[in-house]
Amino acid sequence: KQEVTQIPAALSVPEGENLVLNCSFTDSAIYNLQWFRQDPGKGLTSLLLIQSSQREQTSGRLNASLDKSSGRSTLYIAASQPGDSATYLCAVRGETSGSRLTFGEGTQLTVNP
Amino acid sequence: NAGVTQTPKFRVLKTGQSMTLLCAQDMNHEYMYWYRQDPGMGLRLIHYSVGEGTTAKGEVPDGYNVSRLKKQNFLLGLESAAPSQTSVYFCASSILFDLWTVTNTPQETQYFGPGTRLLVL
Repeated sequence: KQEVTQIPAALSVPEGENLVLNCSFTDSAIYNLQWFRQDPGKGLTSLLLIQSSQREQTSGRLNASLDKSSGRSTLYIAASQPGDSATYLCAVRGETSGSRLTFGEGTQLTVNP
Repeated sequence: NAGVTQTPKFRVLKTGQSMTLLCAQDMNHEYMYWYRQDPGMGLRLIHYSVGEGTTAKGEVPDGYNVSRLKKQNFLLGLESAAPSQTSVYFCASSILFDLWTVTNTPQETQYFGPGTRLLVL
């Protein structure tokens, strides 16, 4: 059974700092990995999707990397801003799970002005 | 487009009561999903549907039933609510998942509704 773990569970940083969020998964037979953002009381919004054949994806100040063989992904946020404060979740789609995703518990990020 | 909408936004039930949560999407997506989100547990898949008239069990289906009578709607039912079903429920939808034609685009992602907070006393 696929298990997804995110470390740390919570992170507080001053504005302007670069930071890294970590995601690990136990079964490397994945089709892709996604990073989502969740604001308090809201649903999830997809940030980046990395196919299993890719090493990284970039969108603005966000960069996600994937090391499928070691079961790890990182989300790098450059020059963090208070508006980045949210919970970040990673999710994997297994090769045998069709369209279903397995989610981590998330990292709650607070960026202080 | 409204995207994915959920009704109601918040509900309080007494143990043993029944209710139905409604999810609607206007993106013509084939796939729809119901998740629950609990502290320390992440999002867990309850049921999902790969098309109109079809449903399948997810990771935590017990105590819930679903129906997909119309492509745009996915209903989640609780026949006899229990305190353990206190949670935030999210609906999501996505395009038809095709291994042979998937491209590296955001189209493959699941689109989420804003959630329904359910408290069972």
